[in-house]
Formats: sequence, C-alpha cells, structure tokens
Amino acid sequence: SYELTQPPSVSVSPGQTARITCSGDALPKQYAYWYQQKPGQAPVLVIYKDSERPSGIPERFSGSSSGTTVTLTISGVQAEDEADYYCQSADSSGTYGGVFGGGTKLTVL
Amino acid sequence: QVQLVQSGAEVKKPGASVKVSCKASGYTFTSYGISWVRQAPGQGLEWMGWISAYNGNTNYAQKLQGRVTMTTDTSTSTAYMELRSLRSDDTAVYYCARDRVVTPDYFDYWGQGTLVTVSS
Repeated sequence: SYELTQPPSVSVSPGQTARITCSGDALPKQYAYWYQQKPGQAPVLVIYKDSERPSGIPERFSGSSSGTTVTLTISGVQAEDEADYYCQSADSSGTYGGVFGGGTKLTVL
Repeated sequence: QVQLVQSGAEVKKPGASVKVSCKASGYTFTSYGISWVRQAPGQGLEWMGWISAYNGNTNYAQKLQGRVTMTTDTSTSTAYMELRSLRSDDTAVYYCARDRVVTPDYFDYWGQGTLVTVSS
C-alpha cells in the first residue's frame, strides 16, 4: 500500500523557521495537503494543493513541492505552533484511498 | 460559519455495531462530500471512507470494506457512519470532515470528534 513518510519530530526555537517534509512516490502527480492538530483537538487544514493557504491561516505557514517531497514551512515559529502536523495525499493510480503521513511532532523549544 | 457537530461518546462490546452522526450547517450540504477519519489513542490519522452528499456515491478504505457503511440524510444535512463487528482495535476518536462532492480529496472543516471505546 502507498505510504507517505514524515520525520517523527522537529524542534525549533521561537522565531526560527521550521521545515517539515513529506515524501511519497506519487507526490509529483498528486497534490499534498497539510493539517495541524493540537492535543485534544480536531485537525485543522493549513495548506491545500501543495502551497495554497486557507483563509484564516497565518502567512507564516507555506507549502512547497519538489519531486517526490513536499515541505511545510513555518516561518517565525511561535509557541502556539507546537502541534502534530500531518501530510495527506492520494496514490498515483487515482483510485483514491486517503493516505496520511505518520505525523510530525513540532516542538517549540 | 461551517460547522460539523457529531454525536456523543459511545462504549460498545466486541462484536457490536456503532453508528456515529455528523450534522452539518453553514453551507449547502449537497454541494460537498463527507469523509470519515479515525485516530486510535496516541496514533496518527486514518482515512475510513467518503460519501458524496449529492448522489450518495461512496468510497471506502480497503481494510474496512464490508464492515463500514456511510449514509446521508439530506433532509437534515446529517451524515452517518456505521461500523460493525467492532474489535478492540476500533477504539478511536472518529471524525467527520467536509470533503469534495465528486471524489474524495481533502478535508477543510472537521467535526469535534466522537470517542468510540470497544471493551468487554
């Protein structure tokens, strides 16, 4: 089955830039989406279609794509950005089976 | 504003069934689909399946085929997810999320989650 691979954890100091990667063979052909989940809360969409930001999401959140890797970048990280982040996409066949990465815990030092 | 409000927590015995509801408001229900996503304690997100609120088309995750049924009631803008033959590893928080209407794609609004506990 198709898999998306994320690092388990990323740590940054406040004000620095955090980069969270997500790798998958189908990512050159399929859009990626990013969700933020804080403890005890439902996930929130922060990036859609690789690099689009939903209304209400701060400009410090951005997304990019290069080959089989997509990256969520958080510029000027704030304490409130500490959360789990999940990438999501589909496999290359187009037969959708929603696939999530394993999640990355962002720790703000 | 878009809201998805789910039914309350459930405790079920192994082998039983559970049906979780998700009432939508703040948008035209039949212009979107609903996906269901679950999260076991301390684990990541798992997509379970999708239903189009426009025509009732469904797409289920392969591992749940035969145990899950998703339906909608357009008269009340409510989506339902029924999971049968429950096992202990079905213990999880179940989320509904607004999705695209033609095909499952991505989830822009989420319900608050429903904890389903399977225990003898």
